[in-house]
Amino acid sequence: EAGVAQSPRYKIIEKRQSVAFWCNPISGHATLYWYQQILGQGPKLLIQFQNNGVVDDSQLPKDRFSAERLKGVDSTLKIQPAKLEDSAVYLCASSPHLTGELFFGEGSRLTVL
Amino acid sequence: GQSLEQPSEVTAVEGAIVQINCTYQTSGFYGLSWYQQHDGGAPTFLSYNALDGLEETGRFSSFLSRSDSYGYLLLQELQMKDSASYFCAVRDPDSGNTGKLIFGQGTTLQVKP
Repeated sequence: EAGVAQSPRYKIIEKRQSVAFWCNPISGHATLYWYQQILGQGPKLLIQFQNNGVVDDSQLPKDRFSAERLKGVDSTLKIQPAKLEDSAVYLCASSPHLTGELFFGEGSRLTVL
Repeated sequence: GQSLEQPSEVTAVEGAIVQINCTYQTSGFYGLSWYQQHDGGAPTFLSYNALDGLEETGRFSSFLSRSDSYGYLLLQELQMKDSASYFCAVRDPDSGNTGKLIFGQGTTLQVKP
């Protein structure tokens, strides 16, 4: 079974530029999560989808971050404009149901200069 | 709010046993999970405890005491490949039954020869 796929693995941009990350969850997994992991910290949830509807986006900085999950499968996370403090690994995870074990991708490491 | 505390670093030698503790403060409780993350890798699920007691999976065991708001991960017969970060996580009770996980800051385990 293929795991959660994410791209790009690494991205370096300057502040105020924009960036987009892509995630393809495990086939059949209805729940998709985007987590932000700053170096030395645990992952922090940004947004959670159930199929293509948003379940929780309470910690998403909506003035600069946006995410969508079209057709309930792939998802993209966009940051525009980026700030220095957005430097982190952006982890996508999926789960077969709402409260199950999370399967993470390897993440997209963002460096904002 | 919800919070979890775990030691930032633990060092042990190959073949030894190590225990990583986690204490939590939450307004409600749905269970304690443990994830392992190697440097640059994806967090991977290790265990889940919803009820008090010890759960064993091979060399890894996880324990929960709900009355003490405490759990631990026990790693036996340590191997070099066990060097990684270990995160405890709880479901956010304020998010209803959405499966949103709150992670601790992580414990970096270094296994020495």
